[in-house]
Amino acid sequence: GQSLEQPSEVTAVEGAIVQINCTYQTSGFYGLSWYQQHDGGAPTFLSYNALDGLEETGRFSSFLSRSDSYGYLLLQELQMKDSASYFCAIGGATNKLIFGTGTLLAVQP
Amino acid sequence: GAVVSQHPSWVICKSGTSVKIECRSLDFQATTMFWYRQFPKQSLMLMATSNEGSKATYEQGVEKDKFLINHASLTLSTLTVTSAHPEDSSFYICSAGPGQGYEQYFGPGTRLTVT
Repeated sequence: GQSLEQPSEVTAVEGAIVQINCTYQTSGFYGLSWYQQHDGGAPTFLSYNALDGLEETGRFSSFLSRSDSYGYLLLQELQMKDSASYFCAIGGATNKLIFGTGTLLAVQP
Repeated sequence: GAVVSQHPSWVICKSGTSVKIECRSLDFQATTMFWYRQFPKQSLMLMATSNEGSKATYEQGVEKDKFLINHASLTLSTLTVTSAHPEDSSFYICSAGPGQGYEQYFGPGTRLTVT
């Protein structure tokens, strides 16, 4: 089967940098995605890694290492509005996503 | 970005009744849509892949006779929860993506409460 593990909760202060890790077990996938979900809302796409390395999109960066079965999302210059749940997800040829366990990020003033 | 809508946003029904949830892609055509279920403070669990013009593909452990999926057009998929029970109470979310791509667009979700 496939599984993606994330820390359940992370707390950081406004303006800081936080890293949310994702370790996975899978037989194969096309890429690793990251989604943000505010309480009661829909997940929204943040970033995607098809290849190993770092992808940067504004304040968000994502990293993938297939050899280590590991990825992370890096959030810089944290803002209060970044308080949300963050999910990693793997996708394959059919475009369906298998989501990680999710990380609740709390940004404190 | 692409827009996906869901209707209703919330519904309360009595145990034993059926509930239909609609998922629409508003500005693109989707041959494939996905249905997820999310319990409070948990992750999204993929239930099934909805295929336009053909049968849905269900994930292991999901009862296809209980969760009926119909994808009759390129912009509409429906999920019907049949003979609902309180344990079916959850947040149901659909997603779709324009073309072959890794980015999925999610509907706003439907909160189902079965009393």
